[in-house]
Amino acid sequence: DAGVTQSPTHLIKTRGQQVTLRCSPISGHKSVSWYQQVLGQGPQFIFQYYEKEERGRGNFPDRFSARQFPNYSSELNVNALLLGDSALYLCASSLRDRGNSPLHFGNGTRLTVT
Amino acid sequence: GIQVEQSPPDLILQEGANSTLRCNFSDSVNNLQWFHQNPWGQLINLFYIPSGTKQNGRLSATTVATERYSLLYISSSQTTDSGVYFCALRGYSGAGSYQLTFGKGTKLSVIP
Repeated sequence: DAGVTQSPTHLIKTRGQQVTLRCSPISGHKSVSWYQQVLGQGPQFIFQYYEKEERGRGNFPDRFSARQFPNYSSELNVNALLLGDSALYLCASSLRDRGNSPLHFGNGTRLTVT
Repeated sequence: GIQVEQSPPDLILQEGANSTLRCNFSDSVNNLQWFHQNPWGQLINLFYIPSGTKQNGRLSATTVATERYSLLYISSSQTTDSGVYFCALRGYSGAGSYQLTFGKGTKLSVIP
């Protein structure tokens, strides 16, 4: 079975531009979460979606938005990019939205903002 | 929110040595995971271990939930074990959200 897949793998954008990152969860998984990892730190929670509804949002500005589609895939959008948005963006899926369901991560999208 | 502390922050081992990584956490949780992030950034599941002990080859993990700590053991280390090891806990953060909170990681370097 395929794991969590993310696209693209790498992306270079200019300040002020907009970016869309994509994620396909493991088959059968209905919960998708997004995390941002800057160099030298652990991943930080951005969003959780379950059954197409937003279940949680981390401490990120409104420039960050996401959605989940009927097939449970998800997109993360970031508007008005800043240099500080340069990071590895990780998508994770889990079978359930509850705490007792392990998360499985994709390989990430490495975003560089110049 | 949940606080996660990992120690040591950095570890250098000779190939073949054993090591223990520690994760202390501040609150009761129902999901604790250990991950290995390789030099290419891939975050690999090692263990889902909210309590008890599990083993997978040269790796094993123990979580004592009542005392709020978890240990990851690496035996007979190999150069491919190099990378950053994260402990992460999933707890309820309100409004139906169960987010994963990561520690700062232990950076392991295994030298030949």
